Amino acid sequence: QVELAESGGGVVQPGGSLRLSCAASGFTFSSYAMFWVRQAPGKGLEWVALISHDGNNKYYADSVRGRFTTSRDNSKNTLYLQMNGLRGEDTAVYFCTRDRLHGSGTPDYWGQGTLVAVSS
Amino acid sequence: QSALTQPASVSGSPGQSTTISCTGTSSDVGGYKYVSWLQQHPGKAPKLIIYEVNNRPSGVSSRFSGSKSGDTASLTISGLQAEDEADYYCSSYTSSGTLVFGGGTKLTVL
Repeated sequence: QVELAESGGGVVQPGGSLRLSCAASGFTFSSYAMFWVRQAPGKGLEWVALISHDGNNKYYADSVRGRFTTSRDNSKNTLYLQMNGLRGEDTAVYFCTRDRLHGSGTPDYWGQGTLVAVSS
Repeated sequence: QSALTQPASVSGSPGQSTTISCTGTSSDVGGYKYVSWLQQHPGKAPKLIIYEVNNRPSGVSSRFSGSKSGDTASLTISGLQAEDEADYYCSSYTSSGTLVFGGGTKLTVL
């Protein structure tokens, strides 16, 4: 069965960096685009980033562009989110999710999320 | 990248039906068939319950149905059950090739 497992969250000071990972299993990872989505405490879902199946195309929300970078290693079935210049408003649970069909923007399977807390 | 518009809350009694709306623009909801609905229980990850406007993934109850008219999509839950109490989010593919979510709707089963 499809499984996504995020890791790498934690507490970081403002201006700091963190790298999240998302280990995928149960499907052909290299065939699917992937999203990062976050949810601030008590708030709704916010799309953060999208990476194409081959890693050649990447898109970012305005709120993180220039600070966050997503990448993937298809040989390791792993998705990454490098977060630099972290701010208080980046505090959230970060989910990785799979795009059901190429270019459909349909987040079908989700990981359990990893919490990032930006605080001094 | 403005969020899609959903009502903050809806409620209904067990056995009744309720509908949640999701309004976007011609650049997202109105322009594509890729509208999804997600259910999220407290402390859990979201779960896809409707994709491509009106399709249910395997295992999702037929009590959940979706539709779309113009720039507004809707999720209808019939025969409300206590377990349906959760937050519901719509999402849509956008003309930028990205993804946008609604602000979320809290469903209370009275």
